[in-house]
Amino acid sequence: DVKVTQSSRYLVKRTGEKVFLECVQDMDHENMFWYRQDPGLGLRLIYFSYDVKMKEKGDIPEGYSVSREKKERFSLILESASTNQTSMYLCASRAGQAHYGYTFGSGTRLTVV
Amino acid sequence: QKEVEQNSGPLSVPEGAIASLNCTYSDRVSQSFFWYRQYSGKSPELIMSIYSNGDKEDGRFTAQLNKASQYVSLLIRDSQPSDSATYLCAVNRVNRDDKIIFGKGTRLHILP
Repeated sequence: DVKVTQSSRYLVKRTGEKVFLECVQDMDHENMFWYRQDPGLGLRLIYFSYDVKMKEKGDIPEGYSVSREKKERFSLILESASTNQTSMYLCASRAGQAHYGYTFGSGTRLTVV
Repeated sequence: QKEVEQNSGPLSVPEGAIASLNCTYSDRVSQSFFWYRQYSGKSPELIMSIYSNGDKEDGRFTAQLNKASQYVSLLIRDSQPSDSATYLCAVNRVNRDDKIIFGKGTRLHILP
């Protein structure tokens, strides 16, 4: 089975801090995604990547950036954390074939105080 | 019109009965359809995928697809308390930007 590992299950950060969320997948998937999930708003796509060093903006990229230096790792960066970025962050990966679904990591619940 | 719509629920179903979850989508070019189960505080887990019109069965789960009506459903037979979760419908726009679009989910509660 594909495993998608997110480095932290819970994080508490202060306003203004730079925050790194790490995601690693072990199945050589080309496609990786970062979502945030908030009550009543569902899953919202932040950024995605179809290959190493490639990145595409999703629906809500403001305040975030990403890095994909290696195929297995996709990092989400909060340049200057704000309280409205308190959320559950979910990483997902998918093989190149378009009809495959995503495999999600276990999620990181980030609280910005 | 939202791209993927689901009734938010909660949908309450007695244990042992059939739970029926419904989803409509707006983009006719969509070609791949998925159902995810999400327990409270956990991440979504893929439980069914369907690509062709008709039914697809896997154990107690049956996914149904009607592309003409732009409608996807998930049936859970012999519902168990462990089926209590939020079920997310998702649609892949294969011929467009190839992204998966998620509905907001339906909360299902199985009554013991």
